[in-house]
Amino acid sequence: DAGVIQSPRHEVTEMGQEVTLRCKPISGHNSLFWYRQTMMRGLELLIYFNNNVPIDDSGMPEDRFSAKMPNASFSTLKIQPSEPRDSAVYFCASSFHGGNTEAFFGQGTRLTVV
Amino acid sequence: DAKTTQPPSMDCAEGRAANLPCNHSTISGNEYVYWYRQIHSQGPQYIIHGLKNNETNEMASLIITEDRKSSTLILPHATLRDTAVYYCIVRVDNYGQNFVFGPGTRLSVLP
Repeated sequence: DAGVIQSPRHEVTEMGQEVTLRCKPISGHNSLFWYRQTMMRGLELLIYFNNNVPIDDSGMPEDRFSAKMPNASFSTLKIQPSEPRDSAVYFCASSFHGGNTEAFFGQGTRLTVV
Repeated sequence: DAKTTQPPSMDCAEGRAANLPCNHSTISGNEYVYWYRQIHSQGPQYIIHGLKNNETNEMASLIITEDRKSSTLILPHATLRDTAVYYCIVRVDNYGQNFVFGPGTRLSVLP
């Protein structure tokens, strides 16, 4: 398996533009996590899906952020409109819920909003 | 909030064992201890996890105290490539539980 795949790896956009980050989890995994990492706040969980259903979105900063998981092999995190304070590295992770299992992380998307 | 306490930084000489401590004094009976590391600009990498018994794999060993209030991650022969931030996480593997990351320990392996 190629692991968790995120795209793009880097994104630079202007303030006010819409940004879509993509994630392909490991095949067979049924839990998916979106995290954001900044120097100031470290790694923060944004949202967590189980069997394609959002379970906990309490970490989503505000209505400008939305996440979807239309099927077991794809998820998106959208920011509209983007702001400079959204600049961060966004990580996607997946795991198999059903045992004491670990989560595997993608390589992240580095977002810069100018 | 993270349920663990770790020293912010540690140094280790290359080739020596690196022992990274973690306090989790409020751990519940059904919570596991997980360790991850993050090498600069990469995604966090799973290392090992355990409930109450000591665990060993090809990367590291995990020693959990009998009262489970603390644990130690051991890298037996640290190399320069082990320089990273190491995170200790306690988690119940139940529906709706996620991985909460604290600030971790920045390990520097010195030549």
